[in-house]
Amino acid sequence: KNQVEQSPQSLIILEGKNCTLQCNYTVSPFSNLRWYKQDTGRGPVSLTIMTFSENTKSNGRYTATLDADTKQSSLHITASQLSDSASYICVVSARGPGDDYKLSFGAGTTVTVRA
Amino acid sequence: DTAVSQTPKYLVTQMGNDKSIKCEQNLGHDTMYWYKQDSKKFLKIMFSYNNKELIINETVPNRFSPKSPDKAHLNLHINSLELGDSAVYFCASSAGEKWSYNEQFFGPGTRLTVL
Repeated sequence: KNQVEQSPQSLIILEGKNCTLQCNYTVSPFSNLRWYKQDTGRGPVSLTIMTFSENTKSNGRYTATLDADTKQSSLHITASQLSDSASYICVVSARGPGDDYKLSFGAGTTVTVRA
Repeated sequence: DTAVSQTPKYLVTQMGNDKSIKCEQNLGHDTMYWYKQDSKKFLKIMFSYNNKELIINETVPNRFSPKSPDKAHLNLHINSLELGDSAVYFCASSAGEKWSYNEQFFGPGTRLTVL
């Protein structure tokens, strides 16, 4: 079972509407969590990165939240635009012995924004 | 343009062949990575190099061999290609040694198709 689960797998929203994507993880011990946006045929682009002490972080119309106690994160897209159509990937980092880290990737949520 | 670049963008080859994918970054970053993204859009880290030294080597067949001639380049050589190697391969880079936290910048990807 993947240590990072994202939901929904895909969603369709109308331009101008808001939506929220979920990321639940079991990765431990937690180091940080990041959200990436991946346009079709392109490499992922970082949207936000949050450590244990951060509850929320914004990047323009994207707002990520983190509840490290319940091991949940969400990405909220406000006033969606056609350019928001992409796959959104949640990545969680766990800290191992010394400076060893391990990244765990979610399968992504595909967002389609329709006019 | 400052960026992470990969060549080729598309690679179609026969099973059993040997091929290489090149990656270069001109961002001055110390750490570079190779990721594999399968048909289900799952990103998996394969290798990471920091200042030409291997720091991450996930469970990857030894047919895959990364080569870092200098810290701006990380090439991926694949021997005896198999059908299951078909995927999109992304190169990425990040600043500093704390690769787990620093933002990663991804290349455009190389779509490898093994026939």
